[in-house]
Amino acid sequence: GQNIDQPTEMTATEGAIVQINCTYQTSGFNGLFWYQQHAGEAPTFLSYNVLDGLEEKGRFSSFLSRSKGYSYLLLKELQMKDSASYLCAVINGANNLFFGTGTRLTVIP
Amino acid sequence: ETGVTQSPTHLIKTRGQQVTLRCSSQSGHNTVSWYQQALGQGPQFIFQYYREEENGRGNFPPRFSGLQFPNYSSELNVNALELDDSALYLCASSTSSGGAANEQFFGPGTRLTVL
Repeated sequence: GQNIDQPTEMTATEGAIVQINCTYQTSGFNGLFWYQQHAGEAPTFLSYNVLDGLEEKGRFSSFLSRSKGYSYLLLKELQMKDSASYLCAVINGANNLFFGTGTRLTVIP
Repeated sequence: ETGVTQSPTHLIKTRGQQVTLRCSSQSGHNTVSWYQQALGQGPQFIFQYYREEENGRGNFPPRFSGLQFPNYSSELNVNALELDDSALYLCASSTSSGGAANEQFFGPGTRLTVL
């Protein structure tokens, strides 16, 4: 089975840094994705980790620890447009993708 | 390059009816996955099709079925609709290559309402 946990909601201030955590217990692991989803829109790709460590891409970074079943998404220099849901998803060996419930981030001025 | 498209955009059905949702994959993609997303929840994996064969299925009953065509487009069929089937149905396409994980590109979704 697949069990992926992340906080339901977070609030942060414009210009600040926020870390969204994700823990997982899955049968079969071939990597972890983070997607961003604005209300009423399709999810869009942010990052992919398959090896332990930090992947940095502009204001967004993602970290993975396979031994701990743990990942986080780090957003720096928050902007109002970053208000969205952030989805943690694990992909298994058959390339089937399983999502957590998503974390709704609200950025306030 | 054309992205993933889905039709229809919105659909209203009554309990007990049947529905067919359609998805055209992105050019060059041979794999299509379907997801159900209830309001305020993350997408839940329904099933995936690779080269016209089912390649994995989530925890959904048999009344959820699908097809993939030779041009890699796909259909999701749901029989005997229930009120809880009301959700956004997302289709995503990707390429499958030798076991490596590949990014899935999502369509805009079909909003299904069951009354």
